[in-house]
Amino acid sequence: DIVMTQSPDSLAVSLGERATINCRSTQSILHNNNNKNYLAWYQQKPGQPPKLLIYWASTRESGVPDRFSGSGSGTDFTLTISSLQSEDVAVYYCQQYYSTPCNFGQGTKLEIK
Amino acid sequence: QVQLVQSGAEVKQPGSSMKVSCKASGGYFSSYGINWLRQAPGQGPEWMGGIIPIHVTANYAQKFQGRLTITSDESTSTVYMELSSLRSEDTAVYYCARLGLPRDYFYYMDVWGQGTTVIVSS
Repeated sequence: DIVMTQSPDSLAVSLGERATINCRSTQSILHNNNNKNYLAWYQQKPGQPPKLLIYWASTRESGVPDRFSGSGSGTDFTLTISSLQSEDVAVYYCQQYYSTPCNFGQGTKLEIK
Repeated sequence: QVQLVQSGAEVKQPGSSMKVSCKASGGYFSSYGINWLRQAPGQGPEWMGGIIPIHVTANYAQKFQGRLTITSDESTSTVYMELSSLRSEDTAVYYCARLGLPRDYFYYMDVWGQGTTVIVSS
């Protein structure tokens, strides 16, 4: 199984500042056939299901603000929020869908400093 | 706009079974896979298995093999998840989620149900 590890576990950032969350997989999730990284990022607020933010490591889901961006390839990935807003307080998860079981990272809790 | 609506919360006795439904509306049902995941309190989501309705056969996480059954009913655009031999560790919120592209399991999940809380307790 591919294990996903996020860092840090929690993060406090001032409003308007940049937030960066990292995600590492135990094996490459870059598919040779289509040169795509099988990595998604989700945001989850209390009492709600996860919400898709980013897929194919860097493609923003429709309706997601452009302050959210994803980068990385192979085994190392990053979610960046360029200018933190109060509504971005949530837990963020990375998830690989390269193989089953499609595991998630343990989550990063993002708070306002 | 595709929506997934799940059945309501349940309280179950250890050793019993649970069956949760996930009804899709507003989009094409049969070609898009539906995954089932669960989330224990304070934990990240855990993939349990999935089904692509036109393929009929489901795909299960090894952890749940023999205890989990996922089925679909194309006539009602509904997917079901049945988990047997329940124990306290199965207490969680259970989610269905649609795969973002059709005809394969290896995609992100773009539409989620609202979640169904299941408590296993004597």
